[in-house]
Amino acid sequence: DAGITQSPRYKITETGRQVTLMCHQTWSHSYMFWYRQDLGHGLRLIYYSAAADITDKGEVPDGYVVSRSKTENFPLTLESATRSQTSVYFCASSEAQGKGNTIYFGEGSWLTVV
Amino acid sequence: GNSVTQMEGPVTLSEEAFLTINCTYTATGYPSLFWYVQYPGEGLQLLLKATKADDKGSNKGFEATYRKETTSFHLEKGSVQVSDSAVYFCALSPSNTDKLIFGTGTRLQVFP
Repeated sequence: DAGITQSPRYKITETGRQVTLMCHQTWSHSYMFWYRQDLGHGLRLIYYSAAADITDKGEVPDGYVVSRSKTENFPLTLESATRSQTSVYFCASSEAQGKGNTIYFGEGSWLTVV
Repeated sequence: GNSVTQMEGPVTLSEEAFLTINCTYTATGYPSLFWYVQYPGEGLQLLLKATKADDKGSNKGFEATYRKETTSFHLEKGSVQVSDSAVYFCALSPSNTDKLIFGTGTRLQVFP
């Protein structure tokens, strides 16, 4: 049972480059999310998606782009990476909208922008 | 707005000690409350949850009770083990959405 897989797990890139973080889930969950984890901030929501072709901004969307052409994939693109985007990125999914629904997380993608 | 406040860490304990990690929240309506755990180098895993007032979530010896009157969801364990060393996140999900709002996390270090 693969669950949620993220790639790459580790990436070093230069300022100004475009970077795409991939996320794939095998559960056919409707909802998918991207969070970033930074010391002192916990996890903050970047974007989320309720279904294929439906996306919405979270708390910190600036500098990021998402798409969801297929239910199982939810890539996150940094159009022009900045050092402030150095972070650990977590993709997550949940089955449906509902009270107390469990959200499942991938193992994270460590991104360093130099 | 919605927010979660956790006690700052690290929390350092000896094996078999009693653990409490405080969590309080601010939310409108009736949120669901969660504790997630993150082991070194891994993603977050759901530890326990509670969806309404006075519910108690429990798992792996950990417990937390949803206290609406004090807007709290403190995590407790009677006897910690070295393997419990991790970062613990309290989170809430507002009543009309699946989005999670996280606290800043509390690192627990348990020594033999």
